[in-house]
Amino acid sequence: EPEVTQTPSHQVTQMGQEVILRCVPISNHLYFYWYRQILGQKVEFLVSFYNNEISEKSEIFDDQFSVERPDGSNFTLKIRSTKLEDSAMYFCASNENTEAFFGQGTRLTVV
Amino acid sequence: GEDVEQSLFLSVREGDSSVINCTYTDSSSTYLYWYKQEPGAGLQLLTYIFSNMDMKQDQRLTVLLNKKDKHLSLRIADTQTGDSAIYFCAESTGYSTLTFGKGTMLLVSP
Repeated sequence: EPEVTQTPSHQVTQMGQEVILRCVPISNHLYFYWYRQILGQKVEFLVSFYNNEISEKSEIFDDQFSVERPDGSNFTLKIRSTKLEDSAMYFCASNENTEAFFGQGTRLTVV
Repeated sequence: GEDVEQSLFLSVREGDSSVINCTYTDSSSTYLYWYKQEPGAGLQLLTYIFSNMDMKQDQRLTVLLNKKDKHLSLRIADTQTGDSAIYFCAESTGYSTLTFGKGTMLLVSP
């Protein structure tokens, strides 16, 4: 069964460093998303991506964040100058129609 | 803005039925979803329902939608210990983003 894959599963970084979270969406899907879940809180939308551009973003997705689809398979989330409060589980999702499929997530820990 | 509310915790005995409730505010919601998250794992789509339906059954899962009251429920029949997880209600208007509730932790005891 096709699935969304994310790497790494866990990333530890020092405050102020840049991180890149990687995702491989399901191959025939056209819509891609990043969500995050701070420990104990709800899953929050960050950004959606369609046709090689951002289609929607939340207030959380400020200039510190960027997304890219560098080739035909990967979808990345870059976080510049990480802060302690960026520590969270980051989920990538993709969908073709109404069903959004999520990856297993990358747990980002900023120390 | 849109909001989705769920009760935070539910405890049941193995073999009983579980009912997890959710309310939402966005009257333009087209699709309503239930996701399951096991400890340390990602979000697994369990089922979803279109807003023009009032019920959907899928094996042990029954989703009921009261669109007038903006109330969604997930019933799990014959709950097993493997059903212990956090269950998230979410809504969207199609290709748009998902708005999630805070999740309901279901604890199934033997």
